[in-house]
Amino acid sequence: QSALTQPASVSGSPGQSITISCTGTNSDVGGYNLVSWYQQHPDKAPKLILYEATKRPSGVSARFSGSKSGNAASLTVSGLQAEDEADYYCCSYAGTSTWIFGGGTKLTVL
Amino acid sequence: EVKLVESGGGSFQPGASLRLSCVGSGFSFSDHWMHWVRQAPGKGLVWVSRIRSDGSDVSYAESMMGRLTLSRDNAKNTVYLQIKSLRVEDTAVYYCARGDGSGIYQRPDYWGQGTLVTVSS
Repeated sequence: QSALTQPASVSGSPGQSITISCTGTNSDVGGYNLVSWYQQHPDKAPKLILYEATKRPSGVSARFSGSKSGNAASLTVSGLQAEDEADYYCCSYAGTSTWIFGGGTKLTVL
Repeated sequence: EVKLVESGGGSFQPGASLRLSCVGSGFSFSDHWMHWVRQAPGKGLVWVSRIRSDGSDVSYAESMMGRLTLSRDNAKNTVYLQIKSLRVEDTAVYYCARGDGSGIYQRPDYWGQGTLVTVSS
């Protein structure tokens, strides 16, 4: 099973907004409303920032938002800050009790 | 505070076996499914396995099926991942993560800091 497709890198200036896409199939992203997004800073553990495509865990900034349509999901980070520079991964339930991650996207804040 | 601490990593030769442990605290361990996810050096996250809260149901990534055994001891708040017939490509940081959500759809939410497994001759 191939990883979900994400762009390798995105960049933006402080204060701007960026969007990271995550494309799967109707067996994973399109088949369930179970897409999560994780932020990972270098040499740190991943942190959950969105779940069920659009929901934010308690304590996560409202600058992070998500959407899903068909086989694709997206993460938008608005009002970019230096601390947002990190790797971002999408993840989806893929049926038969398995999960699948995207290849990851490196966000650079210029 | 939810805390997950992995252990058992280190250097191993190809063909060897290992057992990783993950101890959870700060939450009701027996109520949550648990996941393992790995990350090869400089690479992305790859889901490995997950176990139901009572240990009665386990699933594995197809790529590793047959070499993995996932189990848990809720009395010790611990989940165990055994990997046999280690390969060089198993070199990675192995993370355990708590599951949260509804039933079989419990997504990974809180993660441990990971334990590094290096497989080399």
